Amino acid sequence: QVQLKESGPGLVQPSQTLSLTCTVSGFSLTSYSVHWVRQHSGKSLEWMGRMWSDGDTSYNSAFTSRLSISRDTSKSQVFLKMNSLQTEDTGTYYCAREVLYYYDGYAYWYFDFWGPGTMVTVSS
Amino acid sequence: DTVLTQSPALAVSPGERVTISCRASESVSTGMHWYQQKPGQQPKLLIYGASNLESGVPARFSGSGSGTDFTLTIDPVEADDTATYFCQQSWNDFTFGSGTKLEIK
Repeated sequence: QVQLKESGPGLVQPSQTLSLTCTVSGFSLTSYSVHWVRQHSGKSLEWMGRMWSDGDTSYNSAFTSRLSISRDTSKSQVFLKMNSLQTEDTGTYYCAREVLYYYDGYAYWYFDFWGPGTMVTVSS
Repeated sequence: DTVLTQSPALAVSPGERVTISCRASESVSTGMHWYQQKPGQQPKLLIYGASNLESGVPARFSGSGSGTDFTLTIDPVEADDTATYFCQQSWNDFTFGSGTKLEIK
């Protein structure tokens, strides 16, 4: 069955780089795009970026200068790297699988499976 | 960015009908989707494309709307529906609403 699971350090010092891994199973990264979404404690969800199934990437403009998403298809893993972390980056980070849906000639995307999330605290 | 506005909280009794609204700052056509998130869990997809029920989701959940105004309806509400409900648009990149916390009295 489809599964995604995030992993990462848990605690990162301010100004350092965050590295997270999303390991997927039950589907191929060359067939589905995977996104990163974060959530500040008890608050709304924020889209960060996407690894397209063809290997291309796209990012939320709020993160473009410090965010990088990559993948290793042989290991079924998608990676997130974000530098210059600040306390405001504390939160839960999710990876999610994207589904493409066509209606009336337009393409829409939504997230059908999510990982359980990994909590990241930015603190010295 | 397309801003999605949701009312912050609702409280209803079991068996009642509840509607949760989401208003977009610009038209998103039918590119609106709904998720349920329980404490300590990841979001779960309920509705995609404004009105399509995700497989495995109870028929008590339904969605409607297009353009800027959307509604998620739960009828009848059950105690297990206690959660925060988020709308998400995919017309202009991806943004989420601030969430509506549903309490079952």
